[in-house]
Amino acid sequence: KNQVEQSPQSLIILEGKNCTLQCNYTVSPFSNLRWYKQDTGRGPVSLTIMTFSENTKSNGRYTATLDADTKQSSLHITASQLSDSASYICVVSGNFGNEKLTFGTGTRLTIIP
Amino acid sequence: DSGVTQTPKHLITATGQRVTLRCSPRSGDLSVYWYQQSLDQGLQFLIQYYNGEERAKGNILERFSAQQFPDLHSELNLSSLELGDSALYFCASSVEGGAPVFGPGTRLTVL
Repeated sequence: KNQVEQSPQSLIILEGKNCTLQCNYTVSPFSNLRWYKQDTGRGPVSLTIMTFSENTKSNGRYTATLDADTKQSSLHITASQLSDSASYICVVSGNFGNEKLTFGTGTRLTIIP
Repeated sequence: DSGVTQTPKHLITATGQRVTLRCSPRSGDLSVYWYQQSLDQGLQFLIQYYNGEERAKGNILERFSAQQFPDLHSELNLSSLELGDSALYFCASSVEGGAPVFGPGTRLTVL
């Protein structure tokens, strides 16, 4: 069964600190992996997308890594800001056409001043 | 603004009723997806349409149905509503193989 597991379930850090969120998946075949940010009550917004051959991708203060051999991904946030408080969702696609997207349940990140 | 529009933003109704949620995809996107997100839960895939035809079906109840019209907008119909159907319903759209872009969602409350 295709699964995406994220850890930790929730995380609280001080403003300005760095943090790393984890995603492990068992989706096969694998096409790509995306990280989404979802503010409370809003629709998810795509942060990064990585295919099988990509190891690292950055988007501002967000850096995602992918190890396709171990089926693990991480999202590193540097110099956190209050606006980073949100849920971060890992989404794995099993094929090009997005018919087989598997969503993780997300990590709820809270940044405190 | 993602370019995906959903109406209404909020909907309050009673058990046993039927409602219709509407979604307009981004210009040029042929794929439309529907997702359900219950309180503090992850996104659950319901159904996907591509250029008017059903492409994939997820955990969609028989009481729910959807369609995509020739102008590519989509509607999700929920009938015989139960308390447990209260949730955020998101529509997303994409080009073939592109990252789904989500709309703002419709919050459904069943009393």
